[in-house]
Amino acid sequence: EAGVTQSPTHLIKTRGQQATLRCSPISGHTSVYWYQQALGLGLQFLLWYDEGEERNRGNFPPRFSGRQFPNYSSELNVNALELEDSALYLCASSLPHRQETQYFGPGTRLLVL
Amino acid sequence: SQQGEEDPQALSIQEGENATMNCSYKTSINNLQWYRQNSGRGLVHLILIRSNEREKHSGRLRVTLDTSKKSSSLLITASRAADTASYFCATTDSWGKLQFGAGTQVVVTP
Repeated sequence: EAGVTQSPTHLIKTRGQQATLRCSPISGHTSVYWYQQALGLGLQFLLWYDEGEERNRGNFPPRFSGRQFPNYSSELNVNALELEDSALYLCASSLPHRQETQYFGPGTRLLVL
Repeated sequence: SQQGEEDPQALSIQEGENATMNCSYKTSINNLQWYRQNSGRGLVHLILIRSNEREKHSGRLRVTLDTSKKSSSLLITASRAADTASYFCATTDSWGKLQFGAGTQVVVTP
């Protein structure tokens, strides 16, 4: 069974541009979570989608947004990129219960120049 | 702010030795999970222990949970070079959001 997949694996953008990151959950998982892992800051929760709706978001500005599609895949959009947005962005999926184990994808490494 | 704090920050051992790392957290939890991350890639789920459990085993891994002390420990027995990675504990809040600690870097030398 395929795990969580993310694309692209690497993304290089310049300041002010927009970035779109994609995630496909494990089959049967309806919840998708996004985390940011920036150097020196650890893993920070970004967004949680379930059944197509945003259920919770972390302490990030509105230029971080996303959506979940009917097939439960998800996009994370980062507008007006800033240098400090450079990080590894990890997507995780879980079964439809908030206490279930989250399984992570390999991540997208975003570099903002 | 991070919910979990791992100790030590880094650990270097030789193959065959045991590695122990600890995690402390601040608020009440429903469960606590341990993850492994190799070289800044995705996290691999190792084990989940629920708040009503005290100890759990999975292969060479042993996890304990002491809710009265708000702490957990991960023991890797008979370590191998392939165990070299960063290990994170994460607690799940009532919203299902994972809150991670800063991690323990483990280096296992042959």
